[in-house]
Amino acid sequence: SAVISQKPSRDICQRGTSLTIQCQVDSQVTMMFWYRQQPGQSLTLIATANQGSEATYESGFVIDKFPISRPNLTFSTLTVSNMSPEDSSIYLCSLTGGVKDTQYFGPGTRLTVL
Amino acid sequence: SQELEQSPQSLIVQEGKNLTINCTSSKTLYGLYWYKQKYGEGLIFLMMLQKGGEEKSHEKITAKLDEKKQQSSLHITASQPSHAGIYLCGADMSYSNYQLIWGAGTKLIIKP
Repeated sequence: SAVISQKPSRDICQRGTSLTIQCQVDSQVTMMFWYRQQPGQSLTLIATANQGSEATYESGFVIDKFPISRPNLTFSTLTVSNMSPEDSSIYLCSLTGGVKDTQYFGPGTRLTVL
Repeated sequence: SQELEQSPQSLIVQEGKNLTINCTSSKTLYGLYWYKQKYGEGLIFLMMLQKGGEEKSHEKITAKLDEKKQQSSLHITASQPSHAGIYLCGADMSYSNYQLIWGAGTKLIIKP
């Protein structure tokens, strides 16, 4: 199984600032996903990050607000830009892999915007 | 052992037949989420259950949370090829931390 780590695990940020979340995987994977889970709500896919190409964003999410980098097959970053309190959420990176196409999730980054 | 046990790990069902996937916890769940994933794609949210005894349906998929809020089942009636994929349950185990715990997933194959 894949081991995924995320940094930071949590942060409290001021409105208008930006935060970059890092996701590191212990094996090479082609596709990584970034999700958001707001309190009391379901997990929502933000974008799919493929190595060597631009990330694909879901409806309601744009690159200017959530720029993503994918410099290699084991690492990705998600930046939450110009934050507002509505961005307070848990952000998770994940990947699909293994024989059974299992979904693996990082531990999440809990973001609070004041 | 996993905090959230999902079964079965894989399932092959004849088209038109019914099937059930289970998700069991040893702790009280504050929220239980069912997701579906098709190969190479991200998760698609299906349903969220929060109250003991709650049941929700969408098209041919019904999800239930038991009264003790420790077990949930996802039932598909008259399965179709479009139902094929991986089904994942996720749970809030903590009332205030919004910490997510995930089942291992169930890979569903529909035979024509």
